[in-house]
Amino acid sequence: GDSVTQMEGPVTLSEEAFLTINCTYTATGYPSLFWYVQYPGEGLQLLLKATKADDKGSNKGFEATYRKETTSFHLEKGSVQVSDSAVYFCALSENNQGGKLIFGQGTELSVKP
Amino acid sequence: EAGVTQFPSHSVIEKGQTVTLRCDPISGHDNLYWYRRVMGKEIKFLLHFVKESKQDESGMPNNRFLAERTGGTYSTLKVQPAELEDSGVYFCASSQPPEGGPLGQPQHFGDGTRLSIL
Repeated sequence: GDSVTQMEGPVTLSEEAFLTINCTYTATGYPSLFWYVQYPGEGLQLLLKATKADDKGSNKGFEATYRKETTSFHLEKGSVQVSDSAVYFCALSENNQGGKLIFGQGTELSVKP
Repeated sequence: EAGVTQFPSHSVIEKGQTVTLRCDPISGHDNLYWYRRVMGKEIKFLLHFVKESKQDESGMPNNRFLAERTGGTYSTLKVQPAELEDSGVYFCASSQPPEGGPLGQPQHFGDGTRLSIL
């Protein structure tokens, strides 16, 4: 079945460091890909998405590119801030499965001043 | 616009008791999803409603879990009787139609209900 694999956390960075969180997926079809973020004490929020190969999703300085050839959707940010500390979830949704999301295990990011 | 709201935010019960979680989706959202995250693992799909109908309940772990969506509005998820392995955070999400769809209609999540079984 479909699955999503993320790099294990926690990831600890200093402010203004470069961030990469790896995400790879397996899917039978042609899924849409998402990154969700959960800030402390809050629910999941959609961070960005991409719906076809080579699409780049971006939001709040974060970017991820849908790479069909490597089945990847790595999340990057050039300069992280303390306020980016959160848990990040990579997810996919197959177009013929009612929109249900399949998530990775989440990667906790801690940014120190 | 009000977001997805879940009640309660935290529930602590003893093994063998019954607990009911509630989710109020965003008004006008036909699609309603339940998910669960157990002990820092991945978030897993439980089931999907379209209006009042169960579209997909393939993720429901067993018959101790019962989900309903009265009149296609709010939804409840009842666990009876609760077992230790049911502990986790239960998330509800809603989205506009078409469900998922080729454009990947984003889902809006509630803050979750943290369920602790003692």
